[in-house]
Amino acid sequence: EAQVTQNPRYLITVTGKKLTVTCSQNMNHEYMSWYRQDPGLGLRQIYYSMNVEVTDKGDVPEGYKVSRKEKRNFPLILESPSPNQTSLYFCASSPKVVQGGQETQYFGPGTRLLVL
Amino acid sequence: AQSVTQLDSQVPVFEEAPVELRCNYSSSVSVYLFWYVQYPNQGLQLLLKYLSGSTLVKGINGFEAEFNKSQTSFHLRKPSVHISDTAEYFCAVRGLRTSGTYKYIFGTGTRLKVLA
Repeated sequence: EAQVTQNPRYLITVTGKKLTVTCSQNMNHEYMSWYRQDPGLGLRQIYYSMNVEVTDKGDVPEGYKVSRKEKRNFPLILESPSPNQTSLYFCASSPKVVQGGQETQYFGPGTRLLVL
Repeated sequence: AQSVTQLDSQVPVFEEAPVELRCNYSSSVSVYLFWYVQYPNQGLQLLLKYLSGSTLVKGINGFEAEFNKSQTSFHLRKPSVHISDTAEYFCAVRGLRTSGTYKYIFGTGTRLKVLA
């Protein structure tokens, strides 16, 4: 089954304790992205990747890191989490974006993070 | 700059009644528009998209949307809703970064609550 998986689905941690949220897709997609969802703010992009070893900042990258060593995986790293990073996080993937090409993003089930 | 405005944060409606969820956008590039649905405790899934061609777009679950260039709108409609349509709905537009790569801009979401 074509899907985007995220782990863990739920996480409670404390300020400053490094954590990683994994994201994996089995559709051979080039484009992957991380979003955070906050009430009243919708989804905001944190980082994205156009392909292996190609990553760039989204709209709210502060406090986050990513890597793309393999095409299928795109982990999100919080080196020193703070309470303002408490949020619902989504990973998404899509095929290479070309003019007139496939535009659909496929989303993972989400990771709910609470930083105390 | 590209942006998406969803005018209604919550829309209550009785079962079997029609519904319209409003979305307005601004974009300086070719317009690609999307509606996504998020059921409770799940990720987002694509309802429908407008890339080009006919301005009336039909999606899954009986939803449709009309692209109106002059009013810069992409409102989502369903003639008769079911309890199972209770969810949050996000409008999104594909925009362009200053670097020339694409980005997806999401609205703040509309919570549709279908009442028995």
